[in-house]
Amino acid sequence: AQKVTQAQTEISVVEKEDVTLDCVYETRDTTYYLFWYKQPPSGELVFLIRRNSFDEQNEISGRYSWNFQKSTSSFNFTITASQVVDSAVYFCALSSNTGKLIFGQGTTLQVKP
Amino acid sequence: DSGVTQTPKHLITATGQRVTLRCSPRSGDLSVYWYQQSLDQGLQFLIQYYNGEERAKGNILERFSAQQFPDLHSELNLSSLELGDSALYFCASSPPRLAGQETQYFGPGTRLLVL
Repeated sequence: AQKVTQAQTEISVVEKEDVTLDCVYETRDTTYYLFWYKQPPSGELVFLIRRNSFDEQNEISGRYSWNFQKSTSSFNFTITASQVVDSAVYFCALSSNTGKLIFGQGTTLQVKP
Repeated sequence: DSGVTQTPKHLITATGQRVTLRCSPRSGDLSVYWYQQSLDQGLQFLIQYYNGEERAKGNILERFSAQQFPDLHSELNLSSLELGDSALYFCASSPPRLAGQETQYFGPGTRLLVL
């Protein structure tokens, strides 16, 4: 069975701190895809990144970076120099050949000024 | 703005009633997915359509049904509503690629409250 675990339910940081959101996944598929989505207070789900199981290169996009490690089945997300606008619920998700997304329970990030 | 539209934005109804949620995918996307987000269950996949055909089914209740029309918009029908059906319902769409490789772009959601 496929599963995504986001052990951190809530994280609170002060603006400009770095923060890492953890994601651990389980799958027996050799080919799979990992995603991060952001859900701001307004409620919509915003796509952030997609990673293929055969590409373990880390990725950086501005203040965001992602660390994918197959050996530990983890796909962690780091926000550098956090800002108040980063306050949201962040979801890690997994898909394989069925196309459906399996979501983690989400991590609520609160960035205080 | 993801390009996926959902109507209505909010819906308040009573137990036992039936409602229809509507979704228009992004231009060029052939797949439509429906998800339910509730406090106790989190984000759960309901059903997927690809170019009018049902492709995958998740934990969708028998009281719920969906379809995708020739113009590719989709509707999710919820009937005999119960209090526990109160949730945020998302539609997502994705471009035509191999199954699993697609990135799903989500609409703003329909918030359903059953009283």
